[in-house]
Amino acid sequence: ILNVEQSPQSLHVQEGDSTNFTCSFPSSNFYALHWYRWETAKSPEALFVMTLNGDEKKKGRISATLNTKEGYSYLYIKGSQPEDSATYLCATDAGGGADGLTFGKGTHLIIQP
Amino acid sequence: SAVISQKPSRDICQRGTSLTIQCQVDSQVTMMFWYRQQPGQSLTLIATANQGSEATYESGFVIDKFPISRPNLTFSTLTVSNMSPEDSSIYLCSVQRTDTQYFGPGTRLTVL
Repeated sequence: ILNVEQSPQSLHVQEGDSTNFTCSFPSSNFYALHWYRWETAKSPEALFVMTLNGDEKKKGRISATLNTKEGYSYLYIKGSQPEDSATYLCATDAGGGADGLTFGKGTHLIIQP
Repeated sequence: SAVISQKPSRDICQRGTSLTIQCQVDSQVTMMFWYRQQPGQSLTLIATANQGSEATYESGFVIDKFPISRPNLTFSTLTVSNMSPEDSSIYLCSVQRTDTQYFGPGTRLTVL
């Protein structure tokens, strides 16, 4: 099982500011890195699946990068809005999804108006 | 994508009792997964359920405590047996579609 670490644990950001947080994982036995956005009482929403070293993906104001050699991924949010408030989870996948995912504890993001 | 529903959405139970959580998917899938998130902890895989075979449990989880049924390709249940306060968690089911896992909204369980 891969150990996944996320930092910071929680983050308060002013509306309009940009922010980023980190996901670290062991670089051995790596297949894919997943980012999710999870609001209370809702299903975790899949944001990105990244597999290649140097991968960069973007969805609106949210983007992510991946470094598989050093074992980290960054998630960036540009121009934070109150609706961005959520817990952001990253997870590694060692077997193409067949073995389930290994999650970090998440970064709890609060956007202050 | 996948549309997944779970029942119940939340429950409060007494210790020593059992609760069965249902997971329904909008179309057929081979594998379904059950996770839990204890307070302050990460989402952790409990077991993988394939239709027509016994579920595969992760280290630290046993069938007697978390029996799983998978009667068809769109439905699964997870039972939390002989509950204790340590079982208070959010329980989620998920399915794999292409390269993404999609999750249900979760069942928030409190054991008193």
